[in-house]
Amino acid sequence: AAGVIQSPRHLIKEKRETATLKCYPIPRHDTVYWYQQGPGQDPQFLISFYEKMQSDKGSIPDRFSAQQFSDYHSELNMSSLELGDSALYFCASSYFYEQYFGPGTRLTVT
Amino acid sequence: AQKVTQAQTEISVVEKEDVTLDCVYETRDTTYYLFWYKQPPSGELVFLIRRNSFDEQNEISGRYSWNFQKSTSSFNFTITASQVVDSAVYFCALIGTPQGGSEKLVFGKGTKLTVNP
Repeated sequence: AAGVIQSPRHLIKEKRETATLKCYPIPRHDTVYWYQQGPGQDPQFLISFYEKMQSDKGSIPDRFSAQQFSDYHSELNMSSLELGDSALYFCASSYFYEQYFGPGTRLTVT
Repeated sequence: AQKVTQAQTEISVVEKEDVTLDCVYETRDTTYYLFWYKQPPSGELVFLIRRNSFDEQNEISGRYSWNFQKSTSSFNFTITASQVVDSAVYFCALIGTPQGGSEKLVFGKGTKLTVNP
């Protein structure tokens, strides 16, 4: 069965740089979510999209933005990176409340 | 506000022991959904189960079973005859249905399970 695809899997950036994370949801799933998981922490909701429209927003810094495109893939753009942005970033897609997660992108900011 | 509490931070057992992971939730929504996810050392989040608030039937899937009790706001997870491959962090999570229909998952802090050979 198809799963959620995330790219890249690993990313190393320096402070103040920009990063773009991509997510390809499971076909026919109508909602995409982004979560951030710091070391030893639980995943924290950032933002979600339903049918390409932003549907909810969590504690997402103003330096971050996201969008969902016509082919349903989503991108999370992160600018002016800080050391504290180092984390595992998950994308999930869902159909009727069951969220399936991608493998995550491990972002390291140096 | 919604909250999930996993009081057990870490549990260590020996292979073949049974182990129960506790989860207590808080929500004002009358309809909500409860989940368990597994996060092995490799880092991915694996969906294990979804339970609807209006369905209190317990569920068994192989060595895994879940006990949902609305009266105590608990959704506990039991692994029978644990195996080394069960070693992981397990997260309990909740989706409420407030006006606006947010479907974000609210996670507990997770329970790290170590199964020793």
